[in-house]
Amino acid sequence: KQEVTQIPAALSVPEGENLVLNCSFTDSAIYNLQWFRQDPGKGLTSLLLIQSSQREQTSGRLNASLDKSSGRSTLYIAASQPGDSATYLCAVYSGGGADGLTFGKGTHLIIQP
Amino acid sequence: DTEVTQTPKHLVMGMTNKKSLKCEQHMGHRAMYWYKQKAKKPPELMFVYSYEKLSINESVPSRFSPECPNSSLLNLHLHALQPEDSALYLCASSQDRIGQGGSEKLFFGSGTQLSVL
Repeated sequence: KQEVTQIPAALSVPEGENLVLNCSFTDSAIYNLQWFRQDPGKGLTSLLLIQSSQREQTSGRLNASLDKSSGRSTLYIAASQPGDSATYLCAVYSGGGADGLTFGKGTHLIIQP
Repeated sequence: DTEVTQTPKHLVMGMTNKKSLKCEQHMGHRAMYWYKQKAKKPPELMFVYSYEKLSINESVPSRFSPECPNSSLLNLHLHALQPEDSALYLCASSQDRIGQGGSEKLFFGSGTQLSVL
């Protein structure tokens, strides 16, 4: 059974810093990996989706990398801003329909002004 | 329009009440989902509709009853809920059902925060 772990569970950094969030998964046989952002009491917003054949995806100040063989992904946030404060979740799709999408518990990120 | 709209945003109900959650999308997506999320936990899949047909029921208790009146609308009917059912209920949609070979990108609504007293 696929398991997704996100470290750290919480992170607080001053505004302007570059930071890295980590996601690891136990079964490397995945089709893709998504990073989501969730604001308190709100739904999830898909930030980046990386197919298993890709190494990275970029959107603005966000860069996500995927190392499928080692079961790891990182989300790099450049020049962090207070508006980046949220919980970031990664989810891996391992096949078998919608129940094959496994979420991590997320990293709660606070950017201090 | 890239939004998934959920109503109501907040709902408080007693254990004997009957209520419904509503979800709507106008992106032409053919798959819609209900997820349940407890505080500080990841979302848990409850139901999947593909082409308006229920394709997965994740052994959810019968006090939750989904309905898909058309390709843009998804309802979740609630009856005789328990306090442990209190959670954020999220609706999501995708172009095709996850695993159909299309885009697995999920679009989520803002959720309904449900409290059962």
